Amino acid sequence: SYELTQPPSVSVSPGQTASITCSGEKLGDKYVCWYQQKSGQSPVLVIYQDSKRPSGIPERFSGSNSGNTATLTISGTQAMDEADYYCQAWASSTVVFGGGTKLTVL
Amino acid sequence: QLQLQESGPGLVKPSETLSLTCTVSGGSISSTTYYWGWIRQPPGKGLEWIGSIYHSGSTYSNPSLKSRVTISVDTSKNHFSLILSSVTAADTAVYYCARLRMITFGGVVQPEWFDPWGRGSLVTVSS
Repeated sequence: SYELTQPPSVSVSPGQTASITCSGEKLGDKYVCWYQQKSGQSPVLVIYQDSKRPSGIPERFSGSNSGNTATLTISGTQAMDEADYYCQAWASSTVVFGGGTKLTVL
Repeated sequence: QLQLQESGPGLVKPSETLSLTCTVSGGSISSTTYYWGWIRQPPGKGLEWIGSIYHSGSTYSNPSLKSRVTISVDTSKNHFSLILSSVTAADTAVYYCARLRMITFGGVVQPEWFDPWGRGSLVTVSS
């Protein structure tokens, strides 16, 4: 079965750039989306089709996908961005989620 | 604004059947652009896709759960439902429903992203 691998945790200082990776075999051949989940809340879509932002998502959120790795980048990270982030793709007729990355804003 | 709301028992006994319904408001479940899905999240853990359904009744399911999962849709009530049989403590989780966007990619129509999500329903499996 297809797997997506994320680092369990990433730390960033306020105002700096955070990068969260998601790895999978030939992931660049698929579309990847990203969800933000704050504590006690439902997931929220922040990036779809590798790099598109839904309405209402701040411009500081961006995404890329090439080779075996997709990356979610948060520029000028704010305290409110502290959350769990999940990547997701469609592979082998199934929805696959990454294990999630806890972003800490120190 | 589309909203989804999960409903169902919060406590299920081991070996019994878990049953949840997701009611869609602010939009039609019969839209041709979307599937509708179930995702769960055990306490303190990550997201796990359970399965998804189209308004016609066509479904996709997680192979690891497929033998225990039934997903159905009722377009007249604008809702879809999940049945998970023979539950154990490992099925304790927050269960979310969400809309699943379909796109054409490489000449193939396929599901791609979930948006929006319901608020989630905690189901505990315990005697």
